[in-house]
This record gives sequence, structure tokens and C-alpha cells, in this order.
Amino acid sequence: DAGVIQSPRHEVTEMGQEVTLRCKPISGHNSLFWYRQTMMRGLELLIYFNNNVPIDDSGMPEDRFSAKMPNASFSTLKIQPSEPRDSAVYFCASSWTDQETQYFGPGTRLLVL
Amino acid sequence: KQEVTQIPAALSVPEGENLVLNCSFTDSAIYNLQWFRQDPGKGLTSLLLIQSSQREQTSGRLNASLDKSSGRSTLYIAASQPGDSATYLCAVSLSGTYKYIFGTGTRLKVLA
Repeated sequence: DAGVIQSPRHEVTEMGQEVTLRCKPISGHNSLFWYRQTMMRGLELLIYFNNNVPIDDSGMPEDRFSAKMPNASFSTLKIQPSEPRDSAVYFCASSWTDQETQYFGPGTRLLVL
Repeated sequence: KQEVTQIPAALSVPEGENLVLNCSFTDSAIYNLQWFRQDPGKGLTSLLLIQSSQREQTSGRLNASLDKSSGRSTLYIAASQPGDSATYLCAVSLSGTYKYIFGTGTRLKVLA
């Protein structure tokens, strides 16, 4: 298996633009997590999906953030409009169940100017 | 609120040394604890997962222990190598939840 796949790997955009991050989880995993990592706050859980259904989005910082999982093999995290404070590395992770080992993707490094 | 602390924040050792990384957590009602490795510019790789009913797990030169009552876990690395250089994070999940709370990590550098 190729592992968790994320795209793009790097994104540079200007404030106010829409940003869409993509994730393909490991086949057969039914739990998917989006995290954000910054120097100041470390690794934070943004949203958790189970069987394609959003279970907890309490970590999503604002209404500017939204996430979808239209099927078991694809998820998106969208920021609209983006702001400089959104600059971070965004990770997607998947697991067989929500209490098992999580497998992380390589991350998307986002820079909002 | 669960808080996870890792000490030290950074560590530099000569090759071949045995070393211990520490992780402490404030709420002992955990389901499991994981140790991850993160290389620069990369994602996290799970090293060891310890269920709350277990006291330790071993994988190769790595040994992780868990003491729930004292809210502590240690990651022991034997005979360290330059390839072990990375940031090591511990994460705990609370009983009945899926959420992992991550520590801020220990940045390890093993000198050749």
C-alpha cells in the first residue's frame, strides 16, 4: 500500500484566496483525521471522520474551515478565505478504527502571504 | 483537560549511548499511548502503541513503558545511532474517545 497520500505537498497563496487540501487514506481504514501542526501550538486535531461521517469538528478553528469526505478513499480540507495565521503543516491520518495506530501522510505545508 | 508534557525538549548525545525520553500526562484515564517519530519535513511514524492494560512494549532497540498511576511513559532507545535523529512525540487517547492529545516532542540528535 502507498500509505496515506496528501496533495499538494506545498502550497503558497495570498490572503483571501481559497485553499483546498486533499487526502487519500489507506484502503480499508474507516477512520480519518485532519491535524494542524504549528510551532506555537504543536499538533492539533481539527476534525475526525468515521465511515465517511464527520464525528467531531470541534477542533476546526473557524467557519472559514470546512472538511468533506464524499467517499471512503477521499477527503478534502478547505480554507476560505485563507489568512496568514493559517500557515502551518496540515496532516491527514487514517486508521482501522479510531483507537488503533494512526498512519500519517507526509503533510501539506501551507504558507499564506 | 488532558495535558501532555515531554522533557527534555531537545537532546544531543554521542552515538552508541542509551537514552531515555520522558512523557507525562495529567489524566490517568487513558485508553492507550503511542510514541511517534517525526523526521524533518515528514509526517509522523508510529513506533510503539501501549494499551492502558499493558506496562511496556518493545520493538528492536526501542522499549516504551507506561505507568498510568503516575501519569508517565518513557521511551528507551538502546545503542543510539545517527539515524535515530528525529523528533519523538508521545500521544495519549482518553478512555472512550478517539482523540489523541500530543506532546510537543523531544528533538533528538545523535552525533556520529
